Amino acid sequence: KNQVEQSPQSLIILEGKNCTLQCNYTVSPFSNLRWYKQDTGRGPVSLTIMTFSENTKSNGRYTATLDADTKQSSLHITASQLSDSASYICVVSANSGYALNFGKGTSLLVTP
Amino acid sequence: GAVVSQHPSWVICKSGTSVKIECRSLDFQATTMFWYRQFPKQSLMLMATSNEGSKATYEQGVEKDKFLINHASLTLSTLTVTSAHPEDSSFYICSAARDKNTEAFFGQGTRLTVV
Repeated sequence: KNQVEQSPQSLIILEGKNCTLQCNYTVSPFSNLRWYKQDTGRGPVSLTIMTFSENTKSNGRYTATLDADTKQSSLHITASQLSDSASYICVVSANSGYALNFGKGTSLLVTP
Repeated sequence: GAVVSQHPSWVICKSGTSVKIECRSLDFQATTMFWYRQFPKQSLMLMATSNEGSKATYEQGVEKDKFLINHASLTLSTLTVTSAHPEDSSFYICSAARDKNTEAFFGQGTRLTVV
């Protein structure tokens, strides 16, 4: 069964600090892995998308890594801002990328 | 580019009534649109996949007669929740893709509350 597990479930950090979110998956055959940011009451917004051959991808203060051998990914947020408070969802696609497998998300709260 | 718009953003309706939610791809043609449901602190759950001009494909456990999906054009799909009940209250999100092999972009979601 294709599964995507995220940790931690929730996280509270001080503004300006860095943090790393984890995603482990068992989806096979692997097509791509995406990280989304979802603000409360809003739809998910894509942060990064990585294919099998990509190890790291950055989008501003967000840096995602992928280890396809261990089936692990991380999302690192640098110099956090209050606006980073949101749910971060890891989504792994199988086959051609048509079928999406969603993690439950990590709820991040950045405090002043 | 790749903007997907949902309408309404939120809606409150009485039990027994029907509610229609629209999903539009504003700057591209979407042959495939997806409808998701999300409960608080849960991940998105795929309800159905609609392809322009054909019947929607529903996930197991989703009642097709209750959640009517229409994808009549390349820029518009609608989800109608018929005879709504309080347990249908949820956050409904659509996503749209140019075709089944390209990335899908999400709408902003619709908060449905049935009273």
